[in-house]
Amino acid sequence: QVQLVQSGSELKKPGASVKVSCKASGYTFTSYAMNWVRQAPGQGLEWMGWINTNTGNPTYAQGFTGRFVFSLDTSVSTAYLQISSLKAEDTAVYYCARRDPSGAFDIWGQGTMVTVSS
Amino acid sequence: QPVLTQPTSLSASPGASARFTCTLRSGINVGTYRIYWYQQKPGSLPRYLLRYKSDSDKQQGSGVPSRFSGSKDASTNAGLLLISGLQSEDEADYYCAIWYSSTYVVFGGGTKLTVL
Repeated sequence: QVQLVQSGSELKKPGASVKVSCKASGYTFTSYAMNWVRQAPGQGLEWMGWINTNTGNPTYAQGFTGRFVFSLDTSVSTAYLQISSLKAEDTAVYYCARRDPSGAFDIWGQGTMVTVSS
Repeated sequence: QPVLTQPTSLSASPGASARFTCTLRSGINVGTYRIYWYQQKPGSLPRYLLRYKSDSDKQQGSGVPSRFSGSKDASTNAGLLLISGLQSEDEADYYCAIWYSSTYVVFGGGTKLTVL
């Protein structure tokens, strides 16, 4: 079945980096754009941006430039989110989400909790 | 003023109907946009429910019951999510979203539905 499986929870210290993976299965990975969405504890959904799975070209939302990097490994149908120089306010659940041709985020990963604490 | 505004909470009784609003900022015409709706139950990932632009441009998410439907209220510049025959399992947060200027996604702040 079509699914996105993300890597497990992470506990990091301020200033460290983290890389979250999102492995797709059940469909042709390069046929759908991959988006990233953040949800801070008790808060709503916040779109971080997306990556073109054909070209690898990323687009970052305002507020997610500089320390955030989207990347791909199409050979294993996996998208990655790397966050550097982690801050306490990066503590959140990070979701990958497939975008269908109509613009809907039709398939979501289960989420990866990233906790930044000293 | 946020691009999309949703009431923070909504309560309704089992079997009744619920009407969620997603109001677009003044100057952003609801008629121009597809409104996407997502459901997120506590501790779970979001689920795509449907999108609505017009009666000729709408889509139900895979496996989403027909008691979930979309609409618009042009007079208030709002997208609407309607749930009929409310069930306890419908308790969740509901988010609307648009592709603003076809370039980036904006989510509303979400509405928490309580079924009591």
